[in-house]
Amino acid sequence: DAGVIQSPRHEVTEMGQEVTLRCKPISGHDYLFWYRQTMMRGLELLIYFNNNVPIDDSGMPEDRFSAKMPNASFSTLKIQPSEPRDSAVYFCASSHINEQFFGPGTRLTVL
Amino acid sequence: RKEVEQDPGPFNVPEGATVAFNCTYSNSASQSFFWYRQDCRKEPKLLMSVYSSGNEDGRFTAQLNRASQYISLLIRDSKLSDSATYLCVVNSLPGGGNKLTFGTGTQLKVEL
Repeated sequence: DAGVIQSPRHEVTEMGQEVTLRCKPISGHDYLFWYRQTMMRGLELLIYFNNNVPIDDSGMPEDRFSAKMPNASFSTLKIQPSEPRDSAVYFCASSHINEQFFGPGTRLTVL
Repeated sequence: RKEVEQDPGPFNVPEGATVAFNCTYSNSASQSFFWYRQDCRKEPKLLMSVYSSGNEDGRFTAQLNRASQYISLLIRDSKLSDSATYLCVVNSLPGGGNKLTFGTGTQLKVEL
């Protein structure tokens, strides 16, 4: 298996633009997680899905953030409009039992 | 109070040294505990699970003290390749549910 796949790996955009991050989980995993990592706050859980259904989105910072999982093999995290404080590394992870496998992350810079 | 607290370090140790990291968690209902390792500019990866009886994997030993809500990781005979950030992780949902809370990590630098 190729592991968790994320795209793009790097994204530089200007304040106010829409940003869409993509994730393909490991086949057979029924949980999918979106995290954000910054130096100041560490790794924060934004939202997670079980069997494509959002279970807990309490970590989503505000209405500018939204996430979808239309099927078992694809999820998106969208930021609209983006702000400089959204600059971070965004990780997607998937799991079946306990261990979570992380993708390589998307490094987002909002100017 | 943060749900999972760790000393951020950095811990600078010579090659061959023994180093210990500690972590405390606030939710007494936590069921599962882990140590993840994160290399610079890479994703976190599972290093080992932590069991109540303590467990060992080669040079790495993890221990859990539920009464004190305390987790530790001991690295013996440290190698240059052990340089990384070590994340203490807790599954805080009763019965599992796979929701993990990560500490901010302890940075280890192993030097010649």
